[in-house]
Amino acid sequence: SQQGEEDPQALSIQEGENATMNCSYKTSINNLQWYRQNSGRGLVHLILIRSNEREKHSGRLRVTLDTSKKSSSLLITASRAADTASYFCATPTLGAQKLVFGQGTRLTINP
Amino acid sequence: DAGITQSPRYKITETGRQVTLMCHQTWSHSYMFWYRQDLGHGLRLIYYSAAADITDKGEVPDGYVVSRSKTENFPLTLESATRSQTSVYFCASSELWQPISYEQYFGPGTRLTVT
Repeated sequence: SQQGEEDPQALSIQEGENATMNCSYKTSINNLQWYRQNSGRGLVHLILIRSNEREKHSGRLRVTLDTSKKSSSLLITASRAADTASYFCATPTLGAQKLVFGQGTRLTINP
Repeated sequence: DAGITQSPRYKITETGRQVTLMCHQTWSHSYMFWYRQDLGHGLRLIYYSAAADITDKGEVPDGYVVSRSKTENFPLTLESATRSQTSVYFCASSELWQPISYEQYFGPGTRLTVT
């Protein structure tokens, strides 16, 4: 079963706008990760936020984590055409070095 | 080149045939993983390996076999391919010394079609 569920499944915005994607998970975690997948390519790690962190920034990316609600959000500011991709959240399985991925949000940036 | 590579990138095979997908990484990462990606299912873990000669089942292991005789290689074999195994397969690796992060590095994928 999926640990992380992304919302929305698809998002289409204009270049320059901000994009927000959400992830909900079911069990306790020690970190949550976001990955990007460009069409026809493998996943690329974007950012990791630990359970004791509430917010983290990396360039135009901002990730928040609310462990009480078991949810996370990924904000991409000032979007660019190159941001068009699918974005996945992933959470580790406690006690094992495995990640469980959500189904992803497909983001389209329109020029 | 350093990194994680998969071969072949594309493969068409017939039902009932055996096919092996190769994965090679140059980082000497301890952990390696095989996922399949299908529309509506996201990424699902097939098998993973903690080290050479240590493998374990993931979420959807039926119909697949893995081996890991060397740290850098982690081949995935479909013993008798079925149409339901048509998918995109991704190999990934991660370092053992990051036990609380589990950041994974992915290969480019193999698109497998079973006719």
